[in-house]
Amino acid sequence: AQKVTQAQTEISVVEKEDVTLDCVYETRDTTYYLFWYKQPPSGELVFLIRRNSFDEQNEISGRYSWNFQKSTSSFNFTITASQVVDSAVYFCALSEADNNNDMRFGAGTRLTVKP
Amino acid sequence: GAGVSQSPSNKVTEKGKDVELRCDPISGHTALYWYRQSLGQGLEFLIYFQGNSAPDKSGLPSDRFSAERTGGSVSTLTIQRTQQEDSAVYLCASSLVLAGSYEQYFGPGTRLTVT
Repeated sequence: AQKVTQAQTEISVVEKEDVTLDCVYETRDTTYYLFWYKQPPSGELVFLIRRNSFDEQNEISGRYSWNFQKSTSSFNFTITASQVVDSAVYFCALSEADNNNDMRFGAGTRLTVKP
Repeated sequence: GAGVSQSPSNKVTEKGKDVELRCDPISGHTALYWYRQSLGQGLEFLIYFQGNSAPDKSGLPSDRFSAERTGGSVSTLTIQRTQQEDSAVYLCASSLVLAGSYEQYFGPGTRLTVT
């Protein structure tokens, strides 16, 4: 079965610092999908990005960027010039094409951005 | 358009009572998921529905938990004879199709407290 590991339980940074959230995954499938979700204090998970296993091109969206490396089975998320509003729990998730009803989430990383 | 809605937002119940949690998915989304998130924990998959197919109940923690989806839209998660360990936030999500490539959109959750 697939597995997602987010080794960082909590991270605290000061506003304007850059921060990288790590995500390492395990899967035997050659076709799979990786996701990042944000869960702010309000509680509702917000979809951030989806990446399929055939697309290793890194993506940048404003202050957010994602680094997908199949060689290390990692899908890391970087926030540049962090802001207080970035404070949230961030979840990495994986689903396999052959088992696409089962999206496995990592335990999450709680990011606190202090002013 | 409207997102995933859940009701009630909060539910306090006495141990041994039955509870029903409701989820209204995004219109047109054929796949619906229920997750449980205990305090400070990641997401635990409970059950999913896709169209008229038999639901995948593999994540339900015990036979006290059941769910149904009427008319391919609204879903109800029922917990019978609640226990204190059932206290958690119950999240519902829907996606456009049952395919790992399509992101899930989450509702705000129902916070269940069993006293």
